[in-house]
Amino acid sequence: AQTVTQSQPEMSVQEAETVTLSCTYDTSENNYYLFWYKQPPSRQMILVIRQEAYKQQNATENRFSVNFQKAAKSFSLKISDSQLGDTAMYFCAFALNEKLTFGTGTRLTIIP
Amino acid sequence: EPEVTQTPSHQVTQMGQEVILRCVPISNHLYFYWYRQILGQKVEFLVSFYNNEISEKSEIFDDQFSVERPDGSNFTLKIRSTKLEDSAMYFCASRGLAGVHGQYFGPGTRLTVL
Repeated sequence: AQTVTQSQPEMSVQEAETVTLSCTYDTSENNYYLFWYKQPPSRQMILVIRQEAYKQQNATENRFSVNFQKAAKSFSLKISDSQLGDTAMYFCAFALNEKLTFGTGTRLTIIP
Repeated sequence: EPEVTQTPSHQVTQMGQEVILRCVPISNHLYFYWYRQILGQKVEFLVSFYNNEISEKSEIFDDQFSVERPDGSNFTLKIRSTKLEDSAMYFCASRGLAGVHGQYFGPGTRLTVL
């Protein structure tokens, strides 16, 4: 079974700074997908960024980028120029076949 | 932009009652899912549905749960006899043919069992 670990339960950063959220996973599979989801106080799950395991190039979506280290099974999320609206829970997720396996989340607070 | 919708947003029910949670996935999506999140915990997979049948389910998805796609647009989760521990946020999700694009989640239904 796959597991996803997010070792930082909470983080806070000043507005406009850069923050990195860590995620590690465990799998014996070679082809899979990785995602970061954002959950603001409304509790809606919003897809932030995606990465295919067979692609070496790190995914980027505007201010969000990942550092994907397949051998180390690490998938961190970097948020640049953080904004107040980035305050949320962030969940790392691993996808194989049909289901997403989520980590326990990191609560990120952006301080004005 | 197309989105997944869910109704109701909040459902309160008595223990032992049946509830049906409704979802309208994104129209050209083919794979449908239910997840739940107990307050303060991580999101857990319940079931996936493709081509009018269950393709995978978790241990949580026991005989009390069922899913259905009664028409071309709705996707429902039924809990036959609710328990206190079923209180949670239930998310519906859908995705298109390519798994790389990820699953798109609805806003959730908060189920409270009294």
